[in-house]
Amino acid sequence: ETGVTQSPTHLIKTRGQQVTLRCSSQSGHNTVSWYQQALGQGPQFIFQYYREEENGRGNFPPRFSGLQFPNYSSELNVNALELDDSALYLCASSLELVGMSSDTQYFGPGTRLTVL
Amino acid sequence: GENVEQHPSTLSVQEGDSAVIKCTYSDSASNYFPWYKQELGKGPQLIIDIRSNVGEKKDQRIAVTLNKTAKHFSLHITETQPEDSAVYFCAASRDFGNEKLTFGTGTRLTIIP
Repeated sequence: ETGVTQSPTHLIKTRGQQVTLRCSSQSGHNTVSWYQQALGQGPQFIFQYYREEENGRGNFPPRFSGLQFPNYSSELNVNALELDDSALYLCASSLELVGMSSDTQYFGPGTRLTVL
Repeated sequence: GENVEQHPSTLSVQEGDSAVIKCTYSDSASNYFPWYKQELGKGPQLIIDIRSNVGEKKDQRIAVTLNKTAKHFSLHITETQPEDSAVYFCAASRDFGNEKLTFGTGTRLTIIP
């Protein structure tokens, strides 16, 4: 196990609703990245948080937003849910040090979101 | 942006034989290449990674090779065991700044006892 935890494990929502997913990073890690994994596909990068600020974003609309807290935990918020948002949402934590090669990303178990 | 292609999509191997999964990438600036194993209902687990300053890395039964000129890298699993059955993903990223990983589409590996 990586030490990265996510909650909840499963979630069912209806179209148009809003959802918040949570991630606790591995001890000593300061960076959290979020990925969306549709069924049968590889994870797709949503965004990354470093020092409580967004540090890079993939091809996802603004209704996907996030936060990082001083303890490095993070939230992913999705507004106006659509059927295509049904997926496994993964967070990964890593240690980023200025001027040094990036550390490995370690993934949590994911949150399975179903939008009806 | 980066595009990672992975082959084959499914692979069945007799227990004890070797398995090879291949990936190609498009961004010549990519220089970090991890491999993840994902079991049913779990998140991806890092099994091995390689940076562009080396051509090969080995960890017990698992090895990864990298050809930067051809922009392809491969995962080799020797002496396969039933517990190796899972979906394997390759990924690529640049080393500095935005460290997003771009993943391949996955290979479902089945080890036949």
